[in-house]
Amino acid sequence: DAKTTQPNSMESNEEEPVHLPCNHSTISGTDYIHWYRQLPSQGPEYVIHGLTSNVNNRMASLAIAEDRKSSTLILHRATLRDAAVYYCIGVNYGQNFVFGPGTRLSVLP
Amino acid sequence: DAMVIQNPRYQVTQFGKPVTLSCSQTLNHNVMYWYQQKSSQAPKLLFHYYDKDFNNEADTPDNFQSRRPNTSFCFLDIRSPGLGDAAMYLCATSRGGGVSTDTQYFGPGTRLTVL
Repeated sequence: DAKTTQPNSMESNEEEPVHLPCNHSTISGTDYIHWYRQLPSQGPEYVIHGLTSNVNNRMASLAIAEDRKSSTLILHRATLRDAAVYYCIGVNYGQNFVFGPGTRLSVLP
Repeated sequence: DAMVIQNPRYQVTQFGKPVTLSCSQTLNHNVMYWYQQKSSQAPKLLFHYYDKDFNNEADTPDNFQSRRPNTSFCFLDIRSPGLGDAAMYLCATSRGGGVSTDTQYFGPGTRLTVL
C-alpha cells in the first residue's frame, strides 16, 4: 500500500471551495487513490477514486499531480453536511484498504 | 433502501462474556469486511471474506472470529471481550472485481461497550 499523509484538520467557510491535500510519495504506478469520508456517527462512505488523470463526480473532484506523489480532493462548495473526516487511501490490486488518520474538516456557517 | 445493515447499533456486554455482532447486505456483493474503529482512530481491518474464503489480517487477535453462512450475512464473534475491545465495529462490502478500483460500502456500525 502507498503510505499517505494528510493534515490532521482543516477549516472552511460554508459555500466556499475546499482543497484537501494528500501526499503519497511512495505510490507505485498501479496504485489507485481512493477518498472516503466519515460523517459523525456513521460508517465511511466512498467519495471518489482515480489513477492518473483528474476525476469528477457529483460529490467532488480529484486532482492528481503529474508525478502522482500527491493529490487534492476538491469540494466545490462546502456545506455544513460536508463536515467529516476525509481519508485518502492508496490501493493496489490484491491489497486491502489501510486507513490513515485522515483530515477532520470543519465547516463554519 | 438500506444496503449494509448492522444489528444492533449499540451493544453492551460484560468483560469476558461472548458477544456476536451481525451484518447483512442487499447488494449481493462477493466480499464482506469487518473493521474495528476505536475512539478518534481510523478504521482497522480485522478480516474479510471473499465468498466463502476467509482472510484474516496478521495482527487480528484470536479472540475475534467470523462466520459467513451465506452471501447476505456475516457475523463477528468476540469470544472473551476485554475492556480494550470497546470500539465501533464496521461491516463493509464490495463486488470484489479488483480491489484497486473496488468501492467499499459501509454499514452504520455497531458501538460495543464492555463493562
